[in-house]
Amino acid sequence: AQKITQTQPGMFVQEKEAVTLDCTYDTSDQSYGLFWYKQPSSGEMIFLIYQGSYDEQNATEGRYSLNFQKARKSANLVISASQLGDSAMYFCAMRESFSSARQLTFGSGTQLTVLP
Amino acid sequence: DSGVTQTPKHLITATGQRVTLRCSPRSGDLSVYWYQQSLDQGLQFLIHYYNGEERAKGNILERFSAQQFPDLHSELNLSSLELGDSALYFCASSTRGGEEGEKLFFGSGTQLSVL
Repeated sequence: AQKITQTQPGMFVQEKEAVTLDCTYDTSDQSYGLFWYKQPSSGEMIFLIYQGSYDEQNATEGRYSLNFQKARKSANLVISASQLGDSAMYFCAMRESFSSARQLTFGSGTQLTVLP
Repeated sequence: DSGVTQTPKHLITATGQRVTLRCSPRSGDLSVYWYQQSLDQGLQFLIHYYNGEERAKGNILERFSAQQFPDLHSELNLSSLELGDSALYFCASSTRGGEEGEKLFFGSGTQLSVL
C-alpha cells in the first residue's frame, strides 16, 4: 500500500487566490512527522513546512499552512495568496518514528500552476 | 542555498559504464541520504548513512553502492549502467540520525543520462 498518496497530479490556481494540495498517509505508528517540499523547475527540493503527529495546532509558515486531520490521516497543504513563483511540483512526505528506517517517504507530487 | 553540495551537476555516460556521484553535507550534519527521482518511479529512497555507518537501505540495486567517509562526505557508485538508470540523483543531509521533526536539506542533484 502507498504510504503517501497525492491524488492531484496537476492543479491550477489564479494568482492571489488560495489553493489546497491534498495528501493522505498510511501508518500504524503513533508517532510520525509529515513534511511538504517544493520542487521548482530548476530541480532543487525546498523544505516548506512540518507537522508532528502529536502537534495539536496546525503548522504555519508564512503563506503556507498545513491542514492536519489526524483521524482522517490527511495533511493538506494550503497556500494563501498564490504567487507566480509558487508554480512548482509539491511533494508530501512522512517519517515514521518507530520504523528502523529514518528516511522520508515521498508521495508522487502535485504540479501546481499559478495563472496570472 | 541548502548548504548541501553535489557534484557533478550533469553526467552523460554510456551503458555498461561506472560513475561516482559525490555529496558534501551541510556543515555539522551527520546523516546523508540518497534518493533517485525518475518520471516513472518518483522519488525513491536509496540509502541512509549516519556518521559513517549505513543506517538503512531502500530500493537500491546491487549494482549501486555508497559510502560515507570520515569527513562525512558521501559517494554513490553506480556500475554496469543501464538506460533505466537515467534519473536525477539527490543527496540530502540532516543534523542527526533522523529524529522526529528533523528535516532533510537537499542538494541540487546530479542529472545522470545513460546513452
